[in-house]
Amino acid sequence: QVQLVQSGAEVKKPGASVKVSCKASGYTFTAYYMHWVRQAPGQGLEWMGWINPNSGDTNYAQEFQGRVTMTRDTSISTVYMELSRLRSDDTAVYYCARAAQMSSGPVVVYYYGLDVWGQGTTVTVSS
Amino acid sequence: SYELTQPPSVSVSPGQTASITCSGDKLGNKYTYWYQQKPGQSPVLVIYQDTKRPSGIPERFSGSNSGNTATLTISGTQAMDEADYYCQAWDSSTVVFGGGTKLTVL
Repeated sequence: QVQLVQSGAEVKKPGASVKVSCKASGYTFTAYYMHWVRQAPGQGLEWMGWINPNSGDTNYAQEFQGRVTMTRDTSISTVYMELSRLRSDDTAVYYCARAAQMSSGPVVVYYYGLDVWGQGTTVTVSS
Repeated sequence: SYELTQPPSVSVSPGQTASITCSGDKLGNKYTYWYQQKPGQSPVLVIYQDTKRPSGIPERFSGSNSGNTATLTISGTQAMDEADYYCQAWDSSTVVFGGGTKLTVL
């Protein structure tokens, strides 16, 4: 079955970096884009960006430009999201989510929604 | 930046129809997507491209989008539909989520 399995919970100090992994199975890894979405405690969903696992192309939300890096390792069907210079307000559950999507540069040609989500990774930033 | 506005909460009696709105400037010119999230769980896509249901989503979930407002409609609402619902659209190259609506079935 199609599945996204994320790495375990992390506790980090302010100023540190965190790298969350998302391992895909049950489908052709390079055929779907991967998005990252986070949710602070008791808050709504916040989009962080996407990566095209086939090409490695990325598109980041402006709020995270310069702090976030999304990469992939096609040999193990895994994408990674690294967030640097952590602050207390980065405390959140981080989700990866798959999308049937085609983009030309940052422009979306087609997109069918985030149809499979990982289980979420809790990142706590505290001194 | 583009904003999507949802009511914080909606209440409905079991068996009745629930309507959750999502408003944004000329939203009808964009596709809207809807996600359901139950406490402690990951979101689930329930409507894509305004009106389409993914496989496995019950027929009681439907969507529409016109003008400045998209609407998620749940017909014959069941207790299991109690959850937070988020709308989503694209603004240029950016994914935008609404603030979410808590649906209470009482």
